Amino acid sequence: AQTVTQSQPEMSVQEAETVTLSCTYDTSESDYYLFWYKQPPSRQMILVIRQEAYKQQNATENRFSVNFQKAAKSFSLKISDSQLGDAAMYFCAYRYTGTASKLTFGTGTRLQVTL
Amino acid sequence: EPEVTQTPSHQVTQMGQEVILRCVPISNHLYFYWYRQILGQKVEFLVSFYNNEISEKSEIFDDQFSVERPDGSNFTLKIRSTKLEDSAMYFCASSAQRNYGYTFGSGTRLTVV
Repeated sequence: AQTVTQSQPEMSVQEAETVTLSCTYDTSESDYYLFWYKQPPSRQMILVIRQEAYKQQNATENRFSVNFQKAAKSFSLKISDSQLGDAAMYFCAYRYTGTASKLTFGTGTRLQVTL
Repeated sequence: EPEVTQTPSHQVTQMGQEVILRCVPISNHLYFYWYRQILGQKVEFLVSFYNNEISEKSEIFDDQFSVERPDGSNFTLKIRSTKLEDSAMYFCASSAQRNYGYTFGSGTRLTVV
């Protein structure tokens, strides 16, 4: 079974600084997708960034980027120029490439952004 | 941008009562999902649905739960006899064929008293 581990329950970053959230996963599949979701206090799940396992190039979305290390099964999220609105729970998630496959989530990292 | 719509946003029900949570997925999506999140815990998969049948379900999705797509647009989750431990946020999600992206709804907060 696939598992996703987020070892940092809480992180804090100062506004305008950079922070990296860690995620590791375990799978026997070779083709899959990885995601970071943001959950603000409203509790809506918002897709931040996604990565296809077959792509070597790390995904980027504006201030958000990932460091995908397939051999190490590591998928970290870097947030640059942190803003107050980035404060939220961040969930790492895995999905294999079956057409109706489920998402497996990590336990989340709560990110605080301070002035 | 297309959205997944969930109603109601918050529902309070008495233990033992039946509840139906409603979702309207994105119109051209073919795969539908329900997830739940107990307060302070991680998001857990309940069930996936494709071509009018369940594709996969978790151990949480026992006989008390059922899903239905009654009219080609709505996707419902029914809990027949609610328990206190069913109190959670329930998220509906949908995805298009071979599209690896999910779109989540804004959730229904179910409180069982």
